[in-house]
Amino acid sequence: EVQLVESGGGLVQPGGSLRLSCAASGFTFSSYEMNWVRQAPGKGLEWVSYISSSGSTIYYADSVKGRFTISRDNAKNSLYLQMNSLRAEDTAVYYCARTEYSGSYYGRGRYFDYWGQGTLVTVSS
Amino acid sequence: DIQMTQSPSSLSASVGDRVTITCRASQSISSYLNWYQQKPGKAPKLLIYAASSLQSGVPSRFSGSGSGTDFTLTISSLQPEDFATYYCQQSYSTPIYTFGPGTKVDIK
Repeated sequence: EVQLVESGGGLVQPGGSLRLSCAASGFTFSSYEMNWVRQAPGKGLEWVSYISSSGSTIYYADSVKGRFTISRDNAKNSLYLQMNSLRAEDTAVYYCARTEYSGSYYGRGRYFDYWGQGTLVTVSS
Repeated sequence: DIQMTQSPSSLSASVGDRVTITCRASQSISSYLNWYQQKPGKAPKLLIYAASSLQSGVPSRFSGSGSGTDFTLTISSLQPEDFATYYCQQSYSTPIYTFGPGTKVDIK
């Protein structure tokens, strides 16, 4: 059974840092692209960051570029999100999500087939 | 950047109703459109990928259609467990993804 379990959320002051983790099990983690998606309280879903299966390709949403760093450790089946210079607007539930694809691997048919349960990050003084 | 819009933002319906939700992209995204369902306090769940492909285990009352800029999610006969918020997502600009703002379906 595929499982994604996030941890590391909590209360942090503006300007502070936090590191989120996502522990994966039930599939070959090193073969899959992964993402972080967040949801502010009462708001919609916002894609935050992407990392390729090897970790060699990384993308960020403009809202977090330069402040957040995504990484992975395939030996530990784990995904991470280092969050620095946190702002009140970063308050959200953060989900890790696995990417699957339809059609050609080199095509654009991607979707998020498994999600973790989320971890809440609250940025407040 | 590709922007996604959804309509309506919310709707009230009764069990057994046919429900249609629309998603529009700011430019053509071919068929690279996915739909998710989210219930309060839970993670999103994939319903439809590539505009019209039903994810394994999802009831057949859910269907998706469209291509280019206009897409629809249809629930043929609304069930009590379908009251939730539905999001579309484009993967045309993969690996940068955009979600729609969501459509909340509640009980009339």
